[in-house]
Amino acid sequence: AQTVTQSQPEMSVQEAETVTLSCTYDTSESDYYLFWYKQPPSRQMILVIRQEAYKQQNATENRFSVNFQKAAKSFSLKISDSQLGDAAMYFCAFSAPPASKLTFGTGTRLQVTL
Amino acid sequence: DTGVSQNPRHKITKRGQNVTFRCDPISEHNRLYWYRQTLGQGPEFLTYFQNEAQLEKSRLLSDRFSAERPKGSFSTLEIQRTEQGDSAMYLCASSFGSGGQREQYFGPGTRLTVT
Repeated sequence: AQTVTQSQPEMSVQEAETVTLSCTYDTSESDYYLFWYKQPPSRQMILVIRQEAYKQQNATENRFSVNFQKAAKSFSLKISDSQLGDAAMYFCAFSAPPASKLTFGTGTRLQVTL
Repeated sequence: DTGVSQNPRHKITKRGQNVTFRCDPISEHNRLYWYRQTLGQGPEFLTYFQNEAQLEKSRLLSDRFSAERPKGSFSTLEIQRTEQGDSAMYLCASSFGSGGQREQYFGPGTRLTVT
């Protein structure tokens, strides 16, 4: 069974600053995928960024990037130039074929201040 | 907008009653997933379909829960004899294809309150 751990229940960042959200996971699978999902208050979950485990290069999507450390089973999310709209719950998630069901962490609530 | 839709958005029921939720996935998405999210927690997997076939059910899905996806389109999740512990947000997600990297698109959820 897979487990995903997010050890930061809450984080705060000032607008325009950079923040890093932590995630560790445990699995015996060799073929898997990691995701960061964003859940704004009272709104639906949306994908922020994904990482294939077989790729060494860290994924980036505009202001969002990951630091994927496969040996350490660590998958952190860096948000640069934080914006007020980034305020949300962020969930780290794991999936592996064939089911590709998502296993989520407990989430990190990100607050963005002026 | 042709995203994932869920109905109803909110449901309040008395303990012991049956409830049914509906999920309409993005058209042409062959996979459909149900998750349950309780306050302060991440979503937990319940079950998933590939087309009309239910391929996996979590141990969280007790005998009181049943899900269907007739004709591989919309899906329903029924809870019989509801208990207070069933109070949660029920999320539906859909994806196209079977690859593990496929993005799952989530619906807005159905919030169930059992009194």
